[in-house]
This record gives sequence, structure tokens and C-alpha cells, in this order.
Amino acid sequence: DVVLTQSPLSLPVTLGQPASISCRSSQSLVSSDGNTYLHWFQQRPGQSPRRLICKVFNRDSGVPDRFSGSGSGTDFTLKISRVEAEDVGVYYCMQGTHWPPYTFGQGTKLEIK
Amino acid sequence: EVQLVESGGALVQPGESLRLSCAASGFTFSSFEMNWVRQAPGKGLEWLSSISDSASTRYYADSVKGRFSISRDNAESSLYLQMNSLRAEDTAVYYCARGGWHADWGQGTLVTVSS
Repeated sequence: DVVLTQSPLSLPVTLGQPASISCRSSQSLVSSDGNTYLHWFQQRPGQSPRRLICKVFNRDSGVPDRFSGSGSGTDFTLKISRVEAEDVGVYYCMQGTHWPPYTFGQGTKLEIK
Repeated sequence: EVQLVESGGALVQPGESLRLSCAASGFTFSSFEMNWVRQAPGKGLEWLSSISDSASTRYYADSVKGRFSISRDNAESSLYLQMNSLRAEDTAVYYCARGGWHADWGQGTLVTVSS
């Protein structure tokens, strides 16, 4: 199974400052169809997960443009250009290239410093 | 607007069974793979099971294989998870999610397995 390793696991950030979360895969996530099925999710306290970005860098509808995704192969990054209070929560990466099973990273908890 | 509403969670004893439901609306249910994902208290997300749009293909995580069964009723736009031989470690919030890319999630339903 593909293992996704996120870092850091805890991310204290000052309001208005940038934040970056890494997701590293145990194998390349490039699919035989040429796509890379690496997605990012946000889970605010007490809420369900919400997808932010699909296939590495495609922002979902309604997601602020301060969120961006990048990366290729085995190394991926979610960046928040200027953290706002509503960004507090846990962020997960997920791969859908080598499934079953779909696998998630351990989660990164973002808090305001 | 896509809506996924899970139900059926309860407090049950070890060894008992439970059936979860997920009512879908706002999209053509019969066109999408559907998934169950769970989250134990204070823990991360764990994919459990997927079912193809026509129900011809079903997959399970090793942790639930042989105990859980996924099914769907496209006429009713509903997804199900039959859970047998429940264990304490199955205690979690159970979510249904739309599509292989997990685009949309329900609010979850809590299953507690305890004597």
C-alpha cells in the first residue's frame, strides 16, 4: 500500500503569515493515464472533511485562492499564502493513483500562534 | 447542491451488527463510485470500502474485509454499509464520500462499540 507522510504534524502560524504542508509518497503517484491523483482535504474542528484541491493543483469551487497545491512524483505541497482564522483545522493529503486502498496522510494540525 | 446524509450510527456491544445508510441528492447517484471512510476519536481518516457505479465492483480495507459489506440502491440514491462482528476498534465517525476523488462528504454518523 502507498504510504503518505505529512510534515509537519503540527503547524502553529501567525495570522497573515504563510504556511506550507508537505506530503511525501512511498511511490510515484503518476498514474498510467498520466494523471496524478493526489488530493488535499481540510477538516475544521467539529466538521466533516472538505476537499480543497484535486489532482495536485486544481482548487475546488469556493476555495480561496490563498490555497495552492504543487508537486510531482512523490513530493507534494499545500501552501496557504496568508493564514486566516478560518483556516484552523487538520489538513490531509490523499492518493487515488494506486488503489485499493485509497490512503491518507496522518494529518497536519494548523493552529494560530 | 450535492448532499450526503449518513444515518444508522448507534451504541452497540462487541460482536453485534449495524447497518449504516447514506442518502444522496443533488447529483446523478448512479453515475458515481461511492466510498465509506471512518475516523476514530482523535485520529485520522481511514478509507474502508468502495463500490462502483453499477455495484459490479466492491473493494474493502483489510481491517474490515470479511466483516463489512458495502451495497447501494441506485433507484433510491442510497449507499449502505453492513457491519458485522463489530469490535471496540470500530468505534468511529463513519462518512460516505462521492467519487474516487472523494469530492463531497456527508456529516458523518457515530458508531460506538462498547460493552
